[in-house]
Amino acid sequence: KQEVTQIPAALSVPEGENLVLNCSFTDSAIYNLQWFRQDPGKGLTSLLLIQSSQREQTSGRLNASLDKSSGRSTLYIAASQPGDSATYLCAVVYNQGGKLIFGQGTELSVKP
Amino acid sequence: SAVISQKPSRDICQRGTSLTIQCQVDSQVTMMFWYRQQPGQSLTLIATANQGSEATYESGFVIDKFPISRPNLTFSTLTVSNMSPEDSSIYLCSVRDRTNQPQHFGDGTRLSIL
Repeated sequence: KQEVTQIPAALSVPEGENLVLNCSFTDSAIYNLQWFRQDPGKGLTSLLLIQSSQREQTSGRLNASLDKSSGRSTLYIAASQPGDSATYLCAVVYNQGGKLIFGQGTELSVKP
Repeated sequence: SAVISQKPSRDICQRGTSLTIQCQVDSQVTMMFWYRQQPGQSLTLIATANQGSEATYESGFVIDKFPISRPNLTFSTLTVSNMSPEDSSIYLCSVRDRTNQPQHFGDGTRLSIL
């Protein structure tokens, strides 16, 4: 069964700290992996998309890595800010035309 | 990235009634998806709606309960039929033009059933 897991479910850090969110998937034969953030009462905002042939993607203070062999991806957030507080979701596509399979998300709280 | 507009943004409905949710995209897209997010949960795919073909439903979701239309490459509707309190959720429209491109989401429709 193809599953995506995110640990921890919740994380609280002080402002300015660098942090890592984890995502693991059971089947390493992925097509691509996408990270999203969801603010309360809002839809999902796409952060980064990593194709299966790539090792990492960067956007501003965000860096996402992909290790297919171990079935893991990490989202690194540098110099965290209170505005980063949101739920972060990892999702995997396993084949062309396939659906996104979501993890349960990590709820991040950055304290001023 | 595509701009996705969903209507209504929220609604409170009576048990046994039906509601149609609209999804409008500002550009033509190949794939459209409808998701449900129950309180405190992650997203569950209801169906994939590609223009020119019947919607493909995921296990646990049926066309009689969630009929979908996809008349063109920029628009889709999801109807939630014969609603019960268990249907209280956020319903999200999502689009992707090709599999190697990011998937984008609307802000969702927050539905409460009394």
